[in-house]
Amino acid sequence: GAVVSQHPSWVICKSGTSVKIECRSLDFQATTMFWYRQFPKQSLMLMATSNEGSKATYEQGVEKDKFLINHASLTLSTLTVTSAHPEDSSFYICSAPSGGHGYTFGSGTRLTVV
Amino acid sequence: GNSVTQMEGPVTLSEEAFLTINCTYTATGYPSLFWYVQYPGEGLQLLLKATKADDKGSNKGFEATYRKETTSFHLEKGSVQVSDSAVYFCALRGADSSYKLIFGSGTRLLVRP
Repeated sequence: GAVVSQHPSWVICKSGTSVKIECRSLDFQATTMFWYRQFPKQSLMLMATSNEGSKATYEQGVEKDKFLINHASLTLSTLTVTSAHPEDSSFYICSAPSGGHGYTFGSGTRLTVV
Repeated sequence: GNSVTQMEGPVTLSEEAFLTINCTYTATGYPSLFWYVQYPGEGLQLLLKATKADDKGSNKGFEATYRKETTSFHLEKGSVQVSDSAVYFCALRGADSSYKLIFGSGTRLLVRP
C-alpha cells in the first residue's frame, strides 16, 4: 500500500536554529501534502496544505514565514521550522491523499526546542 | 466552516464492555467521515470510513454509521479488549475539492482487564 516516509522521527534543536522535516511518498505521487501539528494529548491541527509546484496554503493563525513549506516534486514535501523557539516544540505529522478517499500519514516528527 | 465534535475522554471500560464514542459534525453538502486510531507511541491508522449517508463503516469489530439526519458518526464496538486502548479521532473531509481532513479532539480509551 501507499507509504509516506517522514524524517527525522525526532529532533532536538537549540532555540534560534532551523529544523527541516521531510516527507516522501514512496510508491505513489503525492501532488498534495497536508502538514499537521499535535500537542500532547490533543488533536491534530492542520497547519498548511502544500501542492507540488505551487505555494503552500496556510491555515488561519499559522505563520508562513516561520513554517516554510516546499513541495518541489511529486514525491517530496518539506517543512522547515525557522528560528525555532520552545513553544514550537510539538509533534509534526504529514499526510497525503492516497486514492479512494484514503490518506497516508507519516509516522511523525517529535520536535523539542531547548 | 467544517468542524468535528467528539466526546471528551478518557473513557475507561472493563474488558468485554460495550463501547460508544460520540462524534457529530458540521459541514455543508455531503462530507466523507472517518475514524482514526492512534496507539501509544504510534502514528495514525485508519480504522474505518463512510463516504455517503447511511453507509456503515466497519473494521476489527468497530462500526460507525453515517447519519445525515443527526450529523453523527458514532463509533461502537460490542466487546472491547485491552488491546483497544488507544486514542480515537473522528475526522471529516469536506465535500469541496480541497481534500482537507479535519479532526475532532480525540477520545482516549482505556480498557482494563
